[in-house]
Amino acid sequence: EVQLVESGGGLVQPGRSLRLSCAASGFTFDDYAMHWVRQGPGKGLEWVSYVSWNSGSTGYADSVKGRFTISRDNAKNSLYLQMTSLRAEDTALYYCAKDRSSASYDYFDYWGQGILVTVSS
Amino acid sequence: QSALTQPASVSGSPGQSITISCTGTNSDIGRYNYVSWYQQHPGKAPKLIVYDVINRPSGVSNRFSGSKSGGTASLTISGLQAEDEADYYCSSYSSGSTLVVFGGGTKLTVL
Repeated sequence: EVQLVESGGGLVQPGRSLRLSCAASGFTFDDYAMHWVRQGPGKGLEWVSYVSWNSGSTGYADSVKGRFTISRDNAKNSLYLQMTSLRAEDTALYYCAKDRSSASYDYFDYWGQGILVTVSS
Repeated sequence: QSALTQPASVSGSPGQSITISCTGTNSDIGRYNYVSWYQQHPGKAPKLIVYDVINRPSGVSNRFSGSKSGGTASLTISGLQAEDEADYYCSSYSSGSTLVVFGGGTKLTVL
């Protein structure tokens, strides 16, 4: 059974940093691209970032480019999102999502349950 | 503002059919067949219901079907059931400034 379990969220002040983690199991982690998708309170889904199977390619939404860094550790079956210079508008539920493809985007076949990040003073 | 355009809400009675549209551009839906649809119930993670425009994952009811014409994709739900009441999101690969684009979501109400 595929499982994606996010951790590392919480309340953080504007301008501070936070690191999210996603522990994956039930599939061959290093065969697939992985993504972060977020959903603000009462809002729709917003794609945040992706990393290819071997970390050779990454991509970011314009809203987080230069502030967020995605990474993965295939030996630990884990995905990460380092978030810096956090803003109130980054407040959201952050989902870890598995891609069907290895290198780019096809579709998200599995999602985690999400982890809440709240940016407030 | 979302990159893909969906109606904010649709409604239908049990047993009826409804269609949700998703309009993009020549950088996404108009060029690629990497269109997917997700169902999200309140407080739950999104669930894949259609991928690559027309395909259904194993276990998803055949009451859900996808299609595409030019730069607009559509999700049709036939034989509406109470459990179909949820938010629905379309998504596509994009060769624009972002790799992945989503629609703003459509709230389906089963009357």
